[in-house]
Amino acid sequence: AQSVTQLGSHVSVSEGALVLLRCNYSSSVPPYLFWYVQYPNQGLQLLLKYTSAATLVKGINGFEAEFKKSETSFHLTKPSAHMSDAAEYFCAVSVDYKLSFGAGTTVTVRA
Amino acid sequence: IAGITQAPTSQILAAGRRMTLRCTQDMRHNAMYWYRQDLGLGLRLIHYSNTAGTTGKGEVPDGYSVSRANTDDFPLTLASAVPSQTSVYFCASSDSADGPYNEQFFGPGTRLTVL
Repeated sequence: AQSVTQLGSHVSVSEGALVLLRCNYSSSVPPYLFWYVQYPNQGLQLLLKYTSAATLVKGINGFEAEFKKSETSFHLTKPSAHMSDAAEYFCAVSVDYKLSFGAGTTVTVRA
Repeated sequence: IAGITQAPTSQILAAGRRMTLRCTQDMRHNAMYWYRQDLGLGLRLIHYSNTAGTTGKGEVPDGYSVSRANTDDFPLTLASAVPSQTSVYFCASSDSADGPYNEQFFGPGTRLTVL
């Protein structure tokens, strides 16, 4: 069964520093991968998705993710963290049109 | 545009009671989903519906039931609540015509506590 694993349940970064959130997938076929963000007391919203058109995917709010088949990874990055990036981030894979989520990574941003 | 609404926002429930969580979407999406979110486990799929009149079981369906009488509504029922069903519940919808890349849109959630 296809699944994703997020490495690190919590990441703390300084404002202006690089944000790097790790996600590895297990799949024997090309996966359909997503990153969602959940701000406090809200539902999830889509940051970006991998559609196989390009290995580097740009999303909202300055985030991007790179699909690396050789590493079975889809890590999320943002060059410069902002206080508003404090949230929980979920990697997900589409399996039979249904999403299977990772456990999530909480990002805190230090002033 | 409301998107997806869920009710109630939060609820405290005695064990053994019956409870229905409501979910309504106004995007005319054919697919709808119920997830529960628990700390350290991410979101897990409870039930889903690909189109009105059909439903399916997700990863953690035991103790829950759903119905899909029309396109817009997808209620989730706990027939006899137990403390392990304490969680935050999210409803979501998508246009499955977009294929496996379809974005799911999420409601604001219902925080349920079973005592």
